[in-house]
Amino acid sequence: DGGITQSPKYLFRKEGQNVTLSCEQNLNHDAMYWYRQDPGQGLRLIYYSQIVNDFQKGDIAEGYSVSREKKESFPLTVTSAQKNPTAFYLCASNPSASGAYNEQFFGPGTRLTVL
Amino acid sequence: QKEVEQDPGPLSVPEGAIVSLNCTYSNSAFQYFMWYRQYSRKGPELLMYTYSSGNKEDGRFTAQVDKSSKYISLFIRDSQPSDSATYLCAMSANQAGTALIFGKGTTLSVSS
Repeated sequence: DGGITQSPKYLFRKEGQNVTLSCEQNLNHDAMYWYRQDPGQGLRLIYYSQIVNDFQKGDIAEGYSVSREKKESFPLTVTSAQKNPTAFYLCASNPSASGAYNEQFFGPGTRLTVL
Repeated sequence: QKEVEQDPGPLSVPEGAIVSLNCTYSNSAFQYFMWYRQYSRKGPELLMYTYSSGNKEDGRFTAQVDKSSKYISLFIRDSQPSDSATYLCAMSANQAGTALIFGKGTTLSVSS
């Protein structure tokens, strides 16, 4: 099955801890994204990557870090510097980083709760 | 003014009703318009994708884009209880690879 997987589905973090959320895709998509969704809010962009070994900050990158060492993987680390990390985190991918096609496919999400 | 405005609802309709969901936007450079459906605690799934102005129909769903008014709509005909979800509009100015700008989503409930 082709698709985007995120793990874990639920994650609990103690204050002061760093945690890493996994995102893997086997769609051979070039671009990958991380969004954060809070209740009653739309999706807000954290980071995105159009090619391997390159990524850009989104609107709310503070307190987060990413890496893109492989095309199929785009992990997100939520650091202790993120003051309000409890949210639903969504990973997405796009078939092409160039051209006139901008459809994004989403994973199932990870719900992070800070205890 | 936010870039994308979407009435959060909730919107409640009986089964079989025609539903109209809308978004307005301020950036005239937006050219790519999408509607996503998101069930509770799930990732969004793409429903409709439209480039520039016009209408696009797919089964019970019709997407309309009016760039002159900076207004997009999603119509659902013969609504079903399975349509109960949050509907997110999304748009972008640039080509593939760049991020989308999302509305906050409208929560729809269809009762049988």
